[in-house]
Amino acid sequence: GDSVTQMEGPVTLSEEAFLTINCTYTATGYPSLFWYVQYPGEGLQLLLKATKADDKGSNKGFEATYRKETTSFHLEKGSVQVSDSAVYFCALSDVRIKLIFGAGTRLAVHP
Amino acid sequence: DADVTQTPRNRITKTGKRIMLECSQTKGHDRMYWYRQDPGLGLRLIYYSFDVKDINKGEISDGYSVSRQAQAKFSLSLESAIPNQTALYFCATSDGDRDEQFFGPGTRLTVL
Repeated sequence: GDSVTQMEGPVTLSEEAFLTINCTYTATGYPSLFWYVQYPGEGLQLLLKATKADDKGSNKGFEATYRKETTSFHLEKGSVQVSDSAVYFCALSDVRIKLIFGAGTRLAVHP
Repeated sequence: DADVTQTPRNRITKTGKRIMLECSQTKGHDRMYWYRQDPGLGLRLIYYSFDVKDINKGEISDGYSVSRQAQAKFSLSLESAIPNQTALYFCATSDGDRDEQFFGPGTRLTVL
């Protein structure tokens, strides 16, 4: 079945460092891909999405490109802030438009 | 006001008790979902409903039941709670024509 694998955390960075969180997927069709973010004590919020190959999703300085050839959707940010500390989830939508999530990656950014 | 609300936000109960978690939404979405979140496992789908008369099991439905009382309300029940149902539970909604989901704030459930 469809699945999402993302790098284990925690990822610990200093403020202004470059961030990459890897995400790969397995899917039989052509899913949409998502990154959701969960701040402490809150529910998940959509961070960005891409609906087809080579699309780039972007929001709040974060970017991810839908790479069909490598079945990847890695999340990047050029300069992280303390306020970016959260858990990040990669997800895909299957044929019935249900979301399948990765395990989540915790990011901690220190001043 | 929040678009997706969950009650209660926290609940501690004992093994064998019946528990109901409630979800309400004001987004006008047809589709609603219940997930549980466990450390290191991400979110796993328990049940989902594409409209009031359409309810489907997710990947981990055993030990749970749901009721879609109206378009805006979707309740999750644990008929006889057990300790391994201790988790964070999330409700979500989506528009039938789009795949983005909107999440509630979560209910932290502890079963002793």
